[in-house]
Amino acid sequence: GIQVEQSPPDLILQEGANSTLRCNFSDSVNNLQWFHQNPWGQLINLFYIPSGTKQNGRLSATTVATERYSLLYISSSQTTDSGVYFCAVVRSNDYKLSFGAGTTVTVRA
Amino acid sequence: DTGVSQNPRHKITKRGQNVTFRCDPISEHNRLYWYRQTLGQGPEFLTYFQNEAQLEKSRLLSDRFSAERPKGSFSTLEIQRTEQGDSAMYLCASSLSTSGGALDTQYFGPGTRLTVL
Repeated sequence: GIQVEQSPPDLILQEGANSTLRCNFSDSVNNLQWFHQNPWGQLINLFYIPSGTKQNGRLSATTVATERYSLLYISSSQTTDSGVYFCAVVRSNDYKLSFGAGTTVTVRA
Repeated sequence: DTGVSQNPRHKITKRGQNVTFRCDPISEHNRLYWYRQTLGQGPEFLTYFQNEAQLEKSRLLSDRFSAERPKGSFSTLEIQRTEQGDSAMYLCASSLSTSGGALDTQYFGPGTRLTVL
């Protein structure tokens, strides 16, 4: 199956700092989603971004499909940004999401 | 649009008992997926429905597990003779497929957390 690697595994930030999370994948994909998992386990959709760049408030994401990676940017981090961020992809000609192991972000006040 | 809902949110059971979980997808979504997430890991695919047809089952889904989606609406996931290793968060997702491709966004429910004692 397709391999999805996220880095770093853990990230500790001071409130107001900026950060970049990375997702590498091993095969061609036609779907890539970024999620934030809250402390209750709910997966919250951040971006559907199989290619290109999108922005939503303080978050933005870029996927370079030809080089098989995606980046999630968090700017001016807030304590509410804490949680686990997952990258998940759908391999071409498939439909199920394959998840990375996640990046655990802790934002300290 | 009320999102994907799952019931119950929590289930504690004794080893050997049967449990059933329910998922109500976003209305008019024709695809429904079940995933399982254990502590410290990302979710893993279990099974997938296109309307009422179950099109794929992961090897993680032993014969103690069965899933249905009657009439292509809600879905149930049953685990028979539960084992402690079944303890996990069970997540349901749905999507609206566009013709000819997998270019759809999956939306997840809040999950059912199962604890097997």
